[in-house]
Amino acid sequence: EIVLTQSPAALSLSPGERATLSCRASQSINTYLAWYQQKPGQAPRLLMYDVSTRATGIPARFSGSGSGIDFTLTISSLEPDDSAVYYCQQRYDWPPLTFGGGTKVEI
Amino acid sequence: EVQLVESGGGLVQPGGSLRLSCETFGFSFRNFWMTWVRQAPGKGLEWVANIKADGIEKHYVDSVKGRFSISRDDATASVFLDMTNLRVDDTAVYYCAREREGYDSSDYWGRGTLVTVSS
Repeated sequence: EIVLTQSPAALSLSPGERATLSCRASQSINTYLAWYQQKPGQAPRLLMYDVSTRATGIPARFSGSGSGIDFTLTISSLEPDDSAVYYCQQRYDWPPLTFGGGTKVEI
Repeated sequence: EVQLVESGGGLVQPGGSLRLSCETFGFSFRNFWMTWVRQAPGKGLEWVANIKADGIEKHYVDSVKGRFSISRDDATASVFLDMTNLRVDDTAVYYCAREREGYDSSDYWGRGTLVTVSS
């Protein structure tokens, strides 16, 4: 089973600042990585797939990078609405499909 | 508009059974893989099971194998999760999600249904 480790577990930033979220895989997953955003009391929302392709309606301030083992989700200029937990998910070797433990972003 | 609506959650005793349903709207259901993901209270996301568009290929996380069964009905555009021999650690919000056509992510999610396993 591929384990995804997200860091940091939480970060607190101000509006307009840049957020950098990390996701590290226990083995290479090529570029088979997706990112999701989950706000309190809501279902997850797809942000990114294939590492860096934004899902429909996702603003350009969200970007993804990486390949192999190390991946990054960057939010270039934070807005209050970006407060959420962010999860990465690998799609390379399954079952099981696995998620990282999440990074909580507080604005 | 794509919508997924889960139902069937509730309180059940350990060892009991429950059937979750997910009714879908706004897309050609028969062409898509479907997935169940759960989230224990205060915890992260855990993939539970998925089913191919043909209804034949199915996959499960090890912790539910032999206890849970995923199925689908194209006539009603619905996917189901039959849960038996439920355990306290199955307590979670269960989300139904559609797999993108590229099989690279889950692009639409329902709001979830809460399953509580407790005596």
